[in-house]
Amino acid sequence: EAGVAQSPRYKIIEKRQSVAFWCNPISGHATLYWYQQILGQGPKLLIQFQNNGVVDDSQLPKDRFSAERLKGVDSTLKIQPAKLEDSAVYLCASSPETSGSSYEQYFGPGTRLTVT
Amino acid sequence: AQSVSQHNHHVILSEAASLELGCNYSYGGTVNLFWYVQYPGQHLQLLLKYFSGDPLVKGIKGFEAEFIKSKFSFNLRKPSVQWSDTAEYFCAVSDYAGKSTFGDGTTLTVKP
Repeated sequence: EAGVAQSPRYKIIEKRQSVAFWCNPISGHATLYWYQQILGQGPKLLIQFQNNGVVDDSQLPKDRFSAERLKGVDSTLKIQPAKLEDSAVYLCASSPETSGSSYEQYFGPGTRLTVT
Repeated sequence: AQSVSQHNHHVILSEAASLELGCNYSYGGTVNLFWYVQYPGQHLQLLLKYFSGDPLVKGIKGFEAEFIKSKFSFNLRKPSVQWSDTAEYFCAVSDYAGKSTFGDGTTLTVKP
């Protein structure tokens, strides 16, 4: 089966600019995650969707970050305006499970964002 | 709130040495526990998971982990490492709704 697709793979922007990332999960996977991974740290959950509804976005900086998953399939994550501290790898993952299961995750290759 | 602590930031071993990577978590409810691995240049991928049942779980490439509920631990073990095990290893916990928290990872370097 095809894996989780993400684009772009790399992005360099100046601070205060905006940027958007796209993720296409594995077909049929109900749950989709966006993570931020800063160098030397583990992935930090930004937002979790189940189908097209938000399960958790408690760690999403909502003043500048937004995410949507229209039609419960692919998803976009946007940053506007970007700050230097947003430089990180943004990971998308999907999981076939719904409530009561193990939520094993399948990860995409990530988008490496550099804010200058 | 969930948290995950991985004890070792960087581990260096020679081939054939035994491996144990520590992982402790903090969460008051029922959890699912995972070890993910990221080989150089590759995506994060699942190594093994604990969902329920036998607390000793076996994963790919000869790895195993033991869930000790009383110690809130889920340590990863392998009796004899290979050069190809060089990678970054992440311990993770998820709750009943799938909300996941990752540790900061352990970089394993295996010398040939």
